[in-house]
Amino acid sequence: EAQVTQNPRYLITVTGKKLTVTCSQNMNHEYMSWYRQDPGLGLRQIYYSMNVEVTDKGDVPEGYKVSRKEKRNFPLILESPSPNQTSLYFCASSLGRVDQPQHFGDGTRLSIL
Amino acid sequence: AQSVTQLGSHVSVSEGALVLLRCNYSSSVPPYLFWYVQYPNQGLQLLLKYTSAATLVKGINGFEAEFKKSETSFHLTKPSAHMSDAAEYFCAVSDLISWNQGGKLIFGQGTELSVKP
Repeated sequence: EAQVTQNPRYLITVTGKKLTVTCSQNMNHEYMSWYRQDPGLGLRQIYYSMNVEVTDKGDVPEGYKVSRKEKRNFPLILESPSPNQTSLYFCASSLGRVDQPQHFGDGTRLSIL
Repeated sequence: AQSVTQLGSHVSVSEGALVLLRCNYSSSVPPYLFWYVQYPNQGLQLLLKYTSAATLVKGINGFEAEFKKSETSFHLTKPSAHMSDAAEYFCAVSDLISWNQGGKLIFGQGTELSVKP
């Protein structure tokens, strides 16, 4: 089954404790992206990757890091999480063309205390 | 700048009634438009997409949407609502400008659909 898989689905942690949210897709997609979803603010792009080893900042990159060492994986790293990063996070992938839809994972709900 | 406006953050219909969720977009170049549905505790699932072929687009679960360039609209409809349609619906736009700005989708704020028995 074609899918984008995120782990963990839920995480409660404390300020400053490094964490990684993994994202993997099995569709051989070139393009991958991370969004965060907050009430009243909709979905905002954090980072994106057009291809392996190519990543760049989205609209809200502060406090986040990513890497794209393999085509299928695009982990999101919070080096020193803070409470304002409490949110619902989505990983997405696509074929890498403007007219192609993005396929989303089921989301990761992070709570930073 | 590109933007998407969804009129009505909450829409309530009776089971069997017409569903109409409104979406207006702003784009200075030809847009590609998408509707996604989000069920509780799940990700966004693609309902349908407009990519410059037919202006009336049919999607999954009996939904369809019509692209009207003159009105800059892409409203989502379903003739007869079912209880299982209760969810949050997002309209999104992509174009060459947003693609060159990171390939992001520009999302509306979402419309929560409730279906009454």
